[in-house]
Amino acid sequence: DAGITQSPRYKITETGRQVTLMCHQTWSHSYMFWYRQDLGHGLRLIYYSAAADITDKGEVPDGYVVSRSKTENFPLTLESATRSQTSVYFCASSDQVYNEQFFGPGTRLTVL
Amino acid sequence: QKEVEQDPGPLSVPEGAIVSLNCTYSNSAFQYFMWYRQYSRKGPELLMYTYSSGNKEDGRFTAQVDKSSKYISLFIRDSQPSDSATYLCGGSNYKLTFGKGTLLTVNP
Repeated sequence: DAGITQSPRYKITETGRQVTLMCHQTWSHSYMFWYRQDLGHGLRLIYYSAAADITDKGEVPDGYVVSRSKTENFPLTLESATRSQTSVYFCASSDQVYNEQFFGPGTRLTVL
Repeated sequence: QKEVEQDPGPLSVPEGAIVSLNCTYSNSAFQYFMWYRQYSRKGPELLMYTYSSGNKEDGRFTAQVDKSSKYISLFIRDSQPSDSATYLCGGSNYKLTFGKGTLLTVNP
């Protein structure tokens, strides 16, 4: 199906474990973004990517790693999950950095 | 100070009311301004997009940007229960920065 998808939709993990959240888009958009959404903080940018093999930090990058070997995929890895990383994670894509960002359905992550 | 400030509400109005949602921002470099709507347990969707100062109207929705006062507004006329959602304002010069979002409930 065309669009932007995220997997898994729900994930429960334990402190210290590595977790990878997947994001896939079918539009061949150049730009992809990862946000986390928390009560009281709204949407905050974690990392973004302007093209394959080009990534940069956002507002809250600590504890996260990204890669982009293919234009359509932008996985987000929590190398050693902490309780403070319990959140809803949204992936988004855009053809130009100033243009509309299309958001995925989100991944609800709980770290116990 | 966060770059984009938005009153989180919640805001509750009767059906048919005019709704005014507002944000302020501090980054003078912002050129692009957006309003996203987010239904419960869904991803945000673009509602309105404006460049620089001015008004933009789309059906029952009007977006206003006043760069001199760094003020962003969204007006919803004849509000409907289907408008119940969280509304996120955002400003961008390169990276998009969001406000915290305002939860709106329109009561039938």
